Amino acid sequence: QQQVKQSPQSLIVQKGGISIINCAYENTAFDYFPWYQQFPGKGPALLIAIRPDVSEKKEGRFTISFNKSAKQFSLHIMDSQPGDSATYFCAASMRGTNAGKSTFGDGTTLTVKP
Amino acid sequence: EAQVTQNPRYLITVTGKKLTVTCSQNMNHEYMSWYRQDPGLGLRQIYYSMNVEVTDKGDVPEGYKVSRKEKRNFPLILESPSPNQTSLYFCASSEGGQSSEQYFGPGTRLTVT
Repeated sequence: QQQVKQSPQSLIVQKGGISIINCAYENTAFDYFPWYQQFPGKGPALLIAIRPDVSEKKEGRFTISFNKSAKQFSLHIMDSQPGDSATYFCAASMRGTNAGKSTFGDGTTLTVKP
Repeated sequence: EAQVTQNPRYLITVTGKKLTVTCSQNMNHEYMSWYRQDPGLGLRQIYYSMNVEVTDKGDVPEGYKVSRKEKRNFPLILESPSPNQTSLYFCASSEGGQSSEQYFGPGTRLTVT
């Protein structure tokens, strides 16, 4: 049972455009929703994260929008640049007895064309 | 420099030959995890550890073992590797469990023939 579903699988955007990646989750016990960015040959690195008590978080050109009632969250990359070309993963995790568990989406390969 | 290191980075082995992939972090993090990454399947958690001598299964633990005898080290053991364990493996650590930033190692690409 996949608990975090990510779409699209791949995305091609022109330089300067907006990239949008969506994730949906099932377990309402999740309370931390990070996005990781991975370049070829590297490990994933945290890009931005949100907790369910806020609906939006912005860091530079990157914004997470969070819809608790719909159990969905999305990553928006404004003014997309070729250097943003990478694989992006959403994830979800929780506190408490399952604090060590983490579930990732399948990933989105973003290509930003110059 | 704060980092997670993994060794080896690349490994080709044969079915049934026991192997260990080491992972070490220098950030004094409580939590550590192992993931495998396969095309189209994202990152799947194999095992995680919340502290020394405390480990638990992730989503795909079959065929793997782990141990946490020291806070900084979290080795992944494949007692009898099989071809379906050919994958890219990542170790990660975090300060406050999974509800905080995970720091990933550079990855170990394992091929089992």
